[in-house]
Amino acid sequence: RKEVEQDPGPFNVPEGATVAFNCTYSNSASQSFFWYRQDCRKEPKLLMSVYSSGNEDGRFTAQLNRASQYISLLIRDSKLSDSATYLCVVNRPSLEYGNKLVFGAGTILRVKS
Amino acid sequence: DAMVIQNPRYQVTQFGKPVTLSCSQTLNHNVMYWYQQKSSQAPKLLFHYYDKDFNNEADTPDNFQSRRPNTSFCFLDIRSPGLGDAAMYLCATSITRDRNQPQHFGDGTRLSIL
Repeated sequence: RKEVEQDPGPFNVPEGATVAFNCTYSNSASQSFFWYRQDCRKEPKLLMSVYSSGNEDGRFTAQLNRASQYISLLIRDSKLSDSATYLCVVNRPSLEYGNKLVFGAGTILRVKS
Repeated sequence: DAMVIQNPRYQVTQFGKPVTLSCSQTLNHNVMYWYQQKSSQAPKLLFHYYDKDFNNEADTPDNFQSRRPNTSFCFLDIRSPGLGDAAMYLCATSITRDRNQPQHFGDGTRLSIL
């Protein structure tokens, strides 16, 4: 089982739609969670961090369910510019090395007019 | 202004010919990371430096090495690239290895092997 799992998609949605992605993680010791966005052939860029019970940033809402070990990302009123791959990222604590980030393979979103 | 800068953006090398990728940062972050990302896959951590302390991932091939001569610069050396090493190589930095610290990525270097 992968440490971070995501539905690869693609999710094809019309402009203005609401879309949600889920991500599950296997390491119960993980405490930090992030969503990154990656455009085709570009680098990952931090979209938002997810702490405690989740947070909201404009059209984007991230939620964390520690009991079930999953994180979700909700995008409201989708724009064409939201088309990208969304990477779920989870920290892997290590007594020896501090923390490392483990990336999911990403969920592809395509927003169409 | 770009804060994590990778050069070159595209690199073509021949099978078995050593290649060096470079990364520089203006953030003065303590930690620098190198990731390999193949198409439709997650970025895979190769190694990282915490200040001058080098930390190699257990499954990183011996073919891959790194140098960090100072805080600002970090290099990825591939001694004898094989066809399977063709990928995007991403450099990232973070202030510390604290669990709440996100990582900031450079634009990446796309490596092709002939």
